[in-house]
Amino acid sequence: EVQLVQSGAEVKKPGESLKISCQGSGFSFSDYWIGWVRQMPGKGLEWMGIIHPFDSTTRYNPSVEGQVTISVDKSINTAYLQWRSLKASDSAVFFCARDRGSNSGEYFDYWGQGTLVTVSS
Amino acid sequence: EMVMTQSPATLSVSPGERATLSCRASQSVYSDLAWYQQRPGQAPRLVVYAASTRATGFPARFSGSGSGTEFTLTISSLQSEDFAVYYCQQYFSWPRTFGPGTKVEI
Repeated sequence: EVQLVQSGAEVKKPGESLKISCQGSGFSFSDYWIGWVRQMPGKGLEWMGIIHPFDSTTRYNPSVEGQVTISVDKSINTAYLQWRSLKASDSAVFFCARDRGSNSGEYFDYWGQGTLVTVSS
Repeated sequence: EMVMTQSPATLSVSPGERATLSCRASQSVYSDLAWYQQRPGQAPRLVVYAASTRATGFPARFSGSGSGTEFTLTISSLQSEDFAVYYCQQYFSWPRTFGPGTKVEI
């Protein structure tokens, strides 16, 4: 069974750093792009970026590039989303998902359960 | 950036009725379009990809159609579990983009 299990909810202060994770199982992790999607409170979905575990090739949405870092550790089938300095506007639910594209990101067929990030002073 | 729009924003239907959801792309995405269902408090689920191919686990009452810039997701005979928000997403150009969603409510 394909599963993506994300790390738990986080409460942080502005300026703090954060790294959330997404561990895949039930499939060959290094063969699939893994993506991240943001959902701000009460809002829609925003495609943030994807990474390929085989060689760590990454593509970002320009709207978040430079604000977050997507990384991967293929030895433990885990992808990460990281912030160096959080802002209140980073508060959202973040989903990881497996992408079905072979050569590049396409659509997401399996999703993690989501990680709620709350940034508040 | 490819802009995706969806209409209506909210669709009120009764169980057993048909729901027709629309998605429009600002430029042609050919058939590189997916639909997702998101129930409250849950992660999205893939419903349709390649504009008209139903994903595993979704019954035949879900059907996708269209190409180019105009797409439709039709749910015939709505069941209680179908009431949710539906998003379209294009994967023809970078960055990939989602539509704002259509809420299907009772």
